[in-house]
Amino acid sequence: AQSVSQHNHHVILSEAASLELGCNYSYGGTVNLFWYVQYPGQHLQLLLKYFSGDPLVKGIKGFEAEFIKSKFSFNLRKPSVQWSDTAEYFCAVNSLNDMRFGAGTRLTVKP
Amino acid sequence: EAGVAQSPRYKIIEKRQSVAFWCNPISGHATLYWYQQILGQGPKLLIQFQNNGVVDDSQLPKDRFSAERLKGVDSTLKIQPAKLEDSAVYLCASSFRGVNTEAFFGQGTRLTVV
Repeated sequence: AQSVSQHNHHVILSEAASLELGCNYSYGGTVNLFWYVQYPGQHLQLLLKYFSGDPLVKGIKGFEAEFIKSKFSFNLRKPSVQWSDTAEYFCAVNSLNDMRFGAGTRLTVKP
Repeated sequence: EAGVAQSPRYKIIEKRQSVAFWCNPISGHATLYWYQQILGQGPKLLIQFQNNGVVDDSQLPKDRFSAERLKGVDSTLKIQPAKLEDSAVYLCASSFRGVNTEAFFGQGTRLTVV
């Protein structure tokens, strides 16, 4: 079965700092890639997704992610974080309707 | 469009009791997933249905967990008997069958076993 690795367990940033969260997966076939966000006390929400085409994907709230096929990576970025971005971020990979999640990265943004 | 509905939202039971969760997916979604999310961890796939057939239940603890999806629509997940380590949020998600699809998640059921 495929696996998903997120490199950082907990990231702490100050407001306006830039963000990059790493995600690598192990499956070699065609994949769909996702980043989900979970704000405190809320359910999972889709930030962005990659199916095909331009490997640089833009999502909601200023987030973007880049798919690098040769590195099996799909890193999440945001140029300038806000306090309201404090949440848990999950990378997910879907291949042939088999959807797996990484362990998550907790982001804390200090005002 | 209505989202994925789950009930109950919260449940507290004693260990060795049984519990059941219900999920109603988005209309037309053939694929239904149940995930277990333990505090501080990512969602772990328990079982995946395609219509009313099981696609993957390799991570379902079958000695105590069971799930069914009658008529390929609603689904129930049951735990009997519950253990303390079953305390988690149980998430239901659904998607269209096929490539280039995304999963939509319900609010989840937070289970506390005491």
